[in-house]
Amino acid sequence: NAGVMQNPRHLVRRRGQEARLRCSPMKGHSHVYWYRQLPEEGLKFMVYLQKENIIDESGMPKERFSAEFPKEGPSILRIQQVVRGDSAAYFCASSPFPGQTNYGYTFGSGTRLTVV
Amino acid sequence: QKEVEQNSGPLSVPEGAIASLNCTYSDRGSQSFFWYRQYSGKSPELIMSIYSNGDKEDGRFTAQLNKASQYVSLLIRDSQPSDSATYLCAVNDYGGSQGNLIFGKGTKLSVKP
Repeated sequence: NAGVMQNPRHLVRRRGQEARLRCSPMKGHSHVYWYRQLPEEGLKFMVYLQKENIIDESGMPKERFSAEFPKEGPSILRIQQVVRGDSAAYFCASSPFPGQTNYGYTFGSGTRLTVV
Repeated sequence: QKEVEQNSGPLSVPEGAIASLNCTYSDRGSQSFFWYRQYSGKSPELIMSIYSNGDKEDGRFTAQLNKASQYVSLLIRDSQPSDSATYLCAVNDYGGSQGNLIFGKGTKLSVKP
């Protein structure tokens, strides 16, 4: 039973390019959570999605960032016109039901984005 | 602003000693508390959860919770060099999104052979 899968593991983008990060939840899970970890910082919540719905995007920067979780396929975190400050590790987690914060998360291996 | 505070460390202990990691949180309504271990360049790994006041033991790890003091701790007995990592404290965002865990910045632990 595969865990949460993220790809790519490492992504290098030049300033101004777009970055697409993918997260495939565990089988049977329909809730996905994205977190960002800046260098020497703790994890910060970005967005919580259910299939075809954004439940909470209170942690997402207002500009350039978007997320989706289509009916079929992985969840995508999209960063347009990347800047050096976007360089970070991006982690996602999944759960079969809401309220997973009561039980903790299992994170995927993450995508490490480097903007040059 | 809901916050979780941890000493950044590094905390250095000799092999075989007890490592004590501490965490305070600001949201009195928080109900679920977690400790994650994160090795350099890896993803955080959930190692302990605690929901009630008191102690919870799992192998060499003991989590302690005091809701009145808004304080959570993690004790690692018989510390091993393989325990060297950054330990992240997290609490649920009570009243906020069901998807939100609030993390501290982590305490870096170094266990010296």
